[in-house]
Amino acid sequence: AQRVTQPEKLLSVFKGAPVELKCNYSYSGSPELFWYVQYSRQRLQLLLRHISRESIKGFTADLNKGETSFHLKKPFAQEEDSAMYYCALSGFSGQNFVFGPGTRLSVLP
Amino acid sequence: DAGVIQSPRHEVTEMGQEVTLRCKPISGHDYLFWYRQTMMRGLELLIYFNNNVPIDDSGMPEDRFSAKMPNASFSTLKIQPSEPRDSAVYFCASSSRGDGANVLTFGAGSRLTVL
Repeated sequence: AQRVTQPEKLLSVFKGAPVELKCNYSYSGSPELFWYVQYSRQRLQLLLRHISRESIKGFTADLNKGETSFHLKKPFAQEEDSAMYYCALSGFSGQNFVFGPGTRLSVLP
Repeated sequence: DAGVIQSPRHEVTEMGQEVTLRCKPISGHDYLFWYRQTMMRGLELLIYFNNNVPIDDSGMPEDRFSAKMPNASFSTLKIQPSEPRDSAVYFCASSSRGDGANVLTFGAGSRLTVL
């Protein structure tokens, strides 16, 4: 079965501190992993996807197939990073998108 | 492209009334998804379509909920009769698996309040 877990509901860090949002998944096959971000009262938008191997807004995420994880990291958090972050999984062969429960990141001044 | 367009943006109705939410996906996208977002349950997949055909509706809460996609550019989510526990933000999203795109694009959401 497809499943995405995000163990932290809320994560608070101070501005300038490193941040790591955890994501683990279960999937029988080779999934595609994503991070979506939702700023206050806005639509969800794609932050990054594992196959792109990009750094967006200073965030990176590495797919670890051994640990079935896709943690999101940023070395120096900014106040504007405060938002809800969702980890998501999709199968390459046409399955649906499955989202984790989300982690609310709060960056304190 | 204007992106995924949802209407209405806000809907306030009384218990027992019929509610219809509308979605126009991005042109050329062949997958359409309906999600419901609440504080308690997060983001839940209700149903998704591929080429206008419903593929998985196992997330639809109960028979009061129904969704249709009569053509590639329009989908509706209907709740009849509505109940206060249906209050949530309903998101429509679309994607295309062509050219390895496979990126889900969301609409702005329809915020439903059932009194």
